[in-house]
Amino acid sequence: DSGVTQTPKHLITATGQRVTLRCSPRSGDLSVYWYQQSLDQGLQFLIQYYNGEERAKGNILERFSAQQFPDLHSELNLSSLELGDSALYFCASSVGGLAGETQYFGPGTRLLVL
Amino acid sequence: QQQVKQSPQSLIVQKGGISIINCAYENTAFDYFPWYQQFPGKGPALLIAIRPDVSEKKEGRFTISFNKSAKQFSLHIMDSQPGDSATYFCAASKPGYALNFGKGTSLLVTP
Repeated sequence: DSGVTQTPKHLITATGQRVTLRCSPRSGDLSVYWYQQSLDQGLQFLIQYYNGEERAKGNILERFSAQQFPDLHSELNLSSLELGDSALYFCASSVGGLAGETQYFGPGTRLLVL
Repeated sequence: QQQVKQSPQSLIVQKGGISIINCAYENTAFDYFPWYQQFPGKGPALLIAIRPDVSEKKEGRFTISFNKSAKQFSLHIMDSQPGDSATYFCAASKPGYALNFGKGTSLLVTP
């Protein structure tokens, strides 16, 4: 158990809908990362937050947004969902968000868009 | 654009054999190279990591070999066990940036 929790574990929704994925980092970790894992693209970095502020952006679509709250939990919002958004979404956390730090991954949220 | 290329996509090894997974990168600014292990239904977990100032790092049965001039690094699993059956991801990052993952290698160790 990595200490990172994600809810929900599974999510089934329809195209055009909006969903929110939630992540609680390990105790003491200030940085949260979001990744998307699909069969064809592998693990793709979406966005990173450090202590409530956005630190880095990866291949995140404009339809997607995220935030990190004062209690350090983070939410990833996916809107106007398309079939291609079906994937596993992982949250990871690290202590300070610096390069070379171990990132601890949560169990993921499996999203299915029908 | 895949910044880290990983091969093979899948690998079958007999118990007791050596599993070898290779990765290559182009960006010379990368300075941190971890390997992650992922079991079905779980998130990836750090297995072992290396920085480019050393050519090899060993932790138990797992060894990373790093060739800076060739911009390649590999994971060797000695005495492979059925419990090692998982998907392995190599990754690379440069200072201040997030991890760039390879596409993964599905390893099956047969009894």
